[in-house]
Parts: sequence; structure tokens; C-alpha cells
Amino acid sequence: DIQMTQSPSSLSASVGDRVIITCRASRNVVSYLNWYQQIPGKAPKLLIYATSALHSGVPSRFSGSGSGTQFTLTITSLQPEDFATYFCQQSYNAPYTFGQGTKLEIK
Amino acid sequence: QVQLVESGGGLVNPGGSLRLSCAASGFTFSEYSMSWIRQAPGKGLECIAYISSSSGYTNYPDSVKGRFTISRDNAKKSLHLQMNSLRVEDTAVYYCARVPDYGDPLRYFDNWGQGTLVTVSS
Repeated sequence: DIQMTQSPSSLSASVGDRVIITCRASRNVVSYLNWYQQIPGKAPKLLIYATSALHSGVPSRFSGSGSGTQFTLTITSLQPEDFATYFCQQSYNAPYTFGQGTKLEIK
Repeated sequence: QVQLVESGGGLVNPGGSLRLSCAASGFTFSEYSMSWIRQAPGKGLECIAYISSSSGYTNYPDSVKGRFTISRDNAKKSLHLQMNSLRVEDTAVYYCARVPDYGDPLRYFDNWGQGTLVTVSS
């Protein structure tokens, strides 16, 4: 199975900040990398698919980039509702595996 | 709008069985692949079963292979997960999720249910 590793595991930031979350795959996943946001007690929500495509309704302050084994999720101008946990997920090879998550907390 | 509603969770003894269901509405169920994804308390996400739109392809990670079986009934717009030989480490919230069928390997989970809790304990 392809292993996904996110860094950092947790991150403190302030409203208005720009943050970057990194996801590394143990093998080349080309551009088949997705990002999800999860608020405590709720189901995850799709943010970005295929590395950089914004899912319907997702604000443009979210963006994704990368290829191969290294990917990033960038959130510019953090809003209060963005404090959540973020997961990356590869779909290049089944079983489709997730990173361990990055918890974004308010500083 | 798209709705996915899971049911069937609960408390079960180790070694026991449970069958989860997911009722779909608001979209053409037969045109989408589907998955079950679980999240142990305070932990990350694990995709534990995947089924193609026609049921012709299924996939499981080693952690559940041979114990869990995913199935679907397109006429009834329902997804199921039969879980046998349950272990304490299977304790988790189980989500069903929709997967748009754009062809491999472009697969992502674009809609999720609210989840159902499975607790395996004696």
C-alpha cells in the first residue's frame, strides 16, 4: 500500500495568516492527490481533488500544488472556520490511503 | 441534494458480526462507485472497502480483507458492509462516501454520510 505522511501533525496560526501543509507519498502518485477538511464531530469534506482542482463551493483561499511524491495545501488569509483537521489522500493505487492528518489550531 | 445515511452501528462482542447499511438519495446511485471509510476514536481515516458502480470491482486493505464484504443494491439505492470476526481494533465511526466515476485513477470522496459508530467490546 502507498503510505501518506503529512507534516506538520499540528500547527498553530492566527486569523489572517497563510499556512502550508505538506503531504508526502511513499511512491509516485502522479497528480492523484486529494485534500479533505474535518471539523470535530463532523464528517470530512472534500476541498481539493487531483492536486489542484477546487471542489464546488470551496473558497479560493484554498489551493493545492505538487506532483509525484510531494504535495502542498495552502490556505491564505485564514478564517475562523478554517481551524480544523486536514487530510490528504491518494487515489493512484487502491486501497486509497490517507495521511495521518494535520490539526490546525488557533494561536 | 445528495444524502447518504448510514445505519446498523452498535455494540458487538469480539468475534461477532454486524451489517452496516447506507441509504442514498438525491443522485443517480448506479452511476457512482462507493466506499466505506472508518475513523477510530481520535485517529485518522482508513478506506476499508470500495465497490465500483456495477459491483464488478471491489477492493479492501489487508486490515479487513477476508472479514468484511462490501455490496450494493442499485435498484434500492443502498450500500452495505458485512463485517464478520470483529476485533476490538475495528471500533470506529464508519462513513459511507460517494466516488464520482471519472475513471481510474481519478478517485475522490465527494460526499460523505454522517457516520455510524461501531464499538467492539466485551
